[in-house]
Amino acid sequence: DIQMTQSPSSMSASLGDTVTINCLASQDIGNYLSWYQQKPGKSPKLMIYGATNLEDGVPSRFSGSRSGSDYSLTINSLGYDDEGIYHCHQYYEYPFTFGSGTKLEIK
Amino acid sequence: QVTLKESGPGILQPSQTLSLTCTFSGFSLSTYGMGVGWIRQPSGKGLEWLANIWWDDDKYYNPSLKNRLTISKDTSNNQAFLKITNVDTADTATYYCARIAMVKGVMDAWGQGASVTVSS
Repeated sequence: DIQMTQSPSSMSASLGDTVTINCLASQDIGNYLSWYQQKPGKSPKLMIYGATNLEDGVPSRFSGSRSGSDYSLTINSLGYDDEGIYHCHQYYEYPFTFGSGTKLEIK
Repeated sequence: QVTLKESGPGILQPSQTLSLTCTFSGFSLSTYGMGVGWIRQPSGKGLEWLANIWWDDDKYYNPSLKNRLTISKDTSNNQAFLKITNVDTADTATYYCARIAMVKGVMDAWGQGASVTVSS
């Protein structure tokens, strides 16, 4: 199975900050990487797919990038609504796998 | 607008079979390139992909659950199903279904989740 190593596991940032969350794939997954945001008691919401494509309706403050097997989610101009858990997900190969999640707290 | 909603028994006993239903609207599982996936999440833990079913009835399973999973669909009624046999307490989780559109390849719309507790 492809392992997705996500970091950090939690982070705290201030309003207006820029933060980056990372995911390292254990083998090549091309651009088959997505990012989800999950709020307490809610289902995950797709934010980025194809490593860099912004899902419809997601603010342009969110962006995804790739460097080899390293994938990043960057959030600019943090707002309170960005608080939640972010999950990376590879859909290159079955079984699909997820990272362990990053809990983002806004100070 | 795409919507999905999971339903299940809520609570069941160890060794029983868990039957989950995903009722959806806004797309059809008879349309080329459409699929439905099942994912679960134990409370306070990460996401685990379980199975996918596609418009052409192709099915894929997570081998970590060995042969306990069966995914199926009813295109006439816009439903997908997941059965998990011989459950134990480790199967306690919130179970989600999600749409997959082959053009994107990802699960782009999720249901609200169904909470399942396995307890004697």
